[in-house]
Amino acid sequence: KQEVTQIPAALSVPEGENLVLNCSFTDSAIYNLQWFRQDPGKGLTSLLLIQSSQREQTSGRLNASLDKSSGRSTLYIAASQPGDSATYLCAVVPDKLIFGTGTRLQVFP
Amino acid sequence: EAGVAQSPRYKIIEKRQSVAFWCNPISGHATLYWYQQILGQGPKLLIQFQNNGVVDDSQLPKDRFSAERLKGVDSTLKIQPAKLEDSAVYLCASSFYGAAYNEQFFGPGTRLTVL
Repeated sequence: KQEVTQIPAALSVPEGENLVLNCSFTDSAIYNLQWFRQDPGKGLTSLLLIQSSQREQTSGRLNASLDKSSGRSTLYIAASQPGDSATYLCAVVPDKLIFGTGTRLQVFP
Repeated sequence: EAGVAQSPRYKIIEKRQSVAFWCNPISGHATLYWYQQILGQGPKLLIQFQNNGVVDDSQLPKDRFSAERLKGVDSTLKIQPAKLEDSAVYLCASSFYGAAYNEQFFGPGTRLTVL
């Protein structure tokens, strides 16, 4: 059974810091891995999608890496801003989206 | 392009009452998903529709939950009777293609509180 774990569960950092969010999964048989952002009272917004054959994807200040063999992905956020405050969820796709429990990020000015 | 619409946004009911949620997917999206997100957890898939047929409902508690997607567009999710543990955010998502690895677009969710 696929299980997805995210560490840390919560993170509070000052504005401007570079930070790394971690995601691990137990079964490497996946089609892709996705990172989502969830703001309070809102749905999920897709940030990055990494195909199983890819090693990383970049979008603006965000960079996500995937190491299928070790069952790990990291989301790197450069020069964090207060507007980055949200919950970040990773999800893997064997046959359906299986989500981790999320990392709640707070960036303070 | 309009996003996935859901209503109501919030609902408070007492246990053993019934409740229904509505979802309107992005126009042209054949696949529709309902997820349950309990506080502090990631979303869990309840049911997936391809047009108006059910593809996966393996995690739907069928003794109390039901869902339909008439005419392959809008969908409703019903809980009858509700239990305390049903308190959660119910998210609807849609995608153009049916495979789960295609990008899904999520609605704002309905927050259900069962007292």
